[in-house]
Amino acid sequence: SQTIHQWPATLVQPVGSPLSLECTVEGTSNPNLYWYRQAAGRGLQLLFYSVGIGQISSEVPQNLSASRPQDRQFILSSKKLLLSDSGFYLCAWSVGTVNQPQHFGDGTRLSIL
Amino acid sequence: AQSVTQPDIHITVSEGASLELRCNYSYGATPYLFWYVQSPGQGLQLLLKYFSGDTLVQGIKGFEAEFKRSQSSFNLRKPSVHWSDAAEYFCAVGSGNTPLVFGKGTRLSVIA
Repeated sequence: SQTIHQWPATLVQPVGSPLSLECTVEGTSNPNLYWYRQAAGRGLQLLFYSVGIGQISSEVPQNLSASRPQDRQFILSSKKLLLSDSGFYLCAWSVGTVNQPQHFGDGTRLSIL
Repeated sequence: AQSVTQPDIHITVSEGASLELRCNYSYGATPYLFWYVQSPGQGLQLLLKYFSGDTLVQGIKGFEAEFKRSQSSFNLRKPSVHWSDAAEYFCAVGSGNTPLVFGKGTRLSVIA
């Protein structure tokens, strides 16, 4: 069966520091991969999605970037974190076309000090 | 572009009472429709999905949803709520070649 792993579960970073969040999927090939941010009391904001290695679509301009170095690995990065980057980050995967159901990881709680 | 509206930000129901969470979508054709549940500090779990066919779909945890094309709605229902159902619920629509669009969520509280 398919599984998705996100780490770390919790992260506290100072303003201006770099960021790297990793997401990996097991049990499926060529998944579509997604990064979302969920601010407190708000809905899901799609940040990036990828339909294949090296293919990244950015939904919201910001100081974050995403990369997909391997088929089942999706990385969210920042060179310099802002206070506004605080939130709950979720990775998800789907197969087939991007309008198919997504399956989510357990998320990373990012706090910026 | 498609959009999803969940009119209720927060709903409180008594344990054992029935539940209906509202979801309205905007899309020109028949969309794919989904309901997800999120417990605090966790990811989203798929409850059910509608692609085509029977407009009443059954999901996990005793939930069901009904697609009503004339009302552009896909409301989630449960006949008897349990305290463990307290969570955030998200409706989502999928269409064409664009990723799912999620509503802003409805927080469900369950009281004794």
